[in-house]
Amino acid sequence: AQSVTQLGSHVSVSEGALVLLRCNYSSSVPPYLFWYVQYPNQGLQLLLKYTTGATLVKGINGFEAEFKKSETSFHLTKPSAHMSDAAEYFCAVRNQGGKLIFGQGTELSVKP
Amino acid sequence: NAGVTQTPKFQVLKTGQSMTLQCAQDMNHEYMSWYRQDPGMGLRLIHYSVGAGITDQGEVPNGYNVSRSTTEDFPLRLLSAAPSQTSVYFCASGGPGPRGDTEAFFGQGTRLTVV
Repeated sequence: AQSVTQLGSHVSVSEGALVLLRCNYSSSVPPYLFWYVQYPNQGLQLLLKYTTGATLVKGINGFEAEFKKSETSFHLTKPSAHMSDAAEYFCAVRNQGGKLIFGQGTELSVKP
Repeated sequence: NAGVTQTPKFQVLKTGQSMTLQCAQDMNHEYMSWYRQDPGMGLRLIHYSVGAGITDQGEVPNGYNVSRSTTEDFPLRLLSAAPSQTSVYFCASGGPGPRGDTEAFFGQGTRLTVV
C-alpha cells in the first residue's frame, strides 16, 4: 500500500531564506509524485509533479523538488522565500491506475 | 474556464439531516473523486469514480454515498449527518489515466458544519 509522510506539520522561515519541506513515500512500484499548495480558504493547486525522466522537477513560483529513489523522498525546495509563499503544502503519491494519496500537510509561515 | 465547480461553498446541517454536495467538471475527465480535509490529517479519500456508472470506496466511505450518471457530475450524499462529518470537502477531477501521471484538479471546497 502506498503512503506519504510529511515531516513537520509546521515550518517557519524568514523572508529570503531557503524553504525545505520534506516528503517521504512508500510504494511497491515506481510512483508518480505531486506537490500541491493550498492558500487559505481555497482549493488545492498543483505546484509540480514527477512522473518519469529527470529527477529534478521544476514547478511554479520558483519551487522545485528532487525525486530520490534510494531515499524514497521527494522534498520541496525554494531558494528564497517570499511572503506570498505562506500556505499549506501537500505531498501526494499515486501509482499506475491507483488512487492519489496525500500526506498530512505542512503549513509554511514566512516571517518578514 | 470553469474546471471543477462545487456547490454549496458553505453549509450548516443539523444532526440527522441529509444533503447532497454537488460537483461538476467540464474537462471531460473520466476519473473523479471526493476528499475530506481535517486539521492534521491531510486529505482523505471518500469515494471515487473511474467513469460513468462506476464508483468505488476510498479510505473513509462510511456515511456517504455517490453515484455517477454522467461524465460531468459526481454528487456526494450525506445520508444522516453526524458531527463527525464536520469537515471541508473537496471534489477532484482528473487522473490517474492510463499511466497515473496526470494531476487532479480540485474544486474550491465545501465547508460543512454539523450541529
